[in-house]
Amino acid sequence: GAGVSQSPSNKVTEKGKDVELRCDPISGHTALYWYRQSLGQGLEFLIYFQGNSAPDKSGLPSDRFSAERTGGSVSTLTIQRTQQEDSAVYLCASSSTTTGSEQYFGPGTRLTVT
Amino acid sequence: KQEVTQIPAALSVPEGENLVLNCSFTDSAIYNLQWFRQDPGKGLTSLLLIQSSQREQTSGRLNASLDKSSGRSTLYIAASQPGDSATYLCAVNGNQFYFGTGTSLTVIP
Repeated sequence: GAGVSQSPSNKVTEKGKDVELRCDPISGHTALYWYRQSLGQGLEFLIYFQGNSAPDKSGLPSDRFSAERTGGSVSTLTIQRTQQEDSAVYLCASSSTTTGSEQYFGPGTRLTVT
Repeated sequence: KQEVTQIPAALSVPEGENLVLNCSFTDSAIYNLQWFRQDPGKGLTSLLLIQSSQREQTSGRLNASLDKSSGRSTLYIAASQPGDSATYLCAVNGNQFYFGTGTSLTVIP
């Protein structure tokens, strides 16, 4: 079956603009995760969803970052008033549950803020 | 907060060698541990998932072990091949997934 997909694959935006990143999880997966990977850095947890609710938003770097998930499926990560330090690869993953099950990752969205 | 450490940060071996990658974590209250590989410019590919009640998992030339009480996992790669060159990441699942910074492996033909 289809894996996790993300769009766009690449996004170049000017500082100060808003961007929206999209993640389509594997069908039937109730858990969805967002991570950020900066150049040469490890994966930084941003937020996860169980269904449509986000029990843990502790990883969001600032109030410019928000995420939502509707219908227990597609999720969007929005970054407002982008800054150069937001440049990174944004990875999405899904799993059938939040405990005990395997995570499957999408290919990521490479965001460049100029 | 859970901290995950991977040693070494980089490793270079000749083709055919067996090798071990290490992952340690500070909080043993985990549901499972997952090993991934990441190729340059790509997403993460899952290699092995070990549940907290298990001690090891095997897939082909890969064997992963878990010692939850000591906070350690190892990924053993047998008869390494140039195609194994990638960054290997371990992630522990507590209430969220915590990732190590990875081991960059180069297998020299």
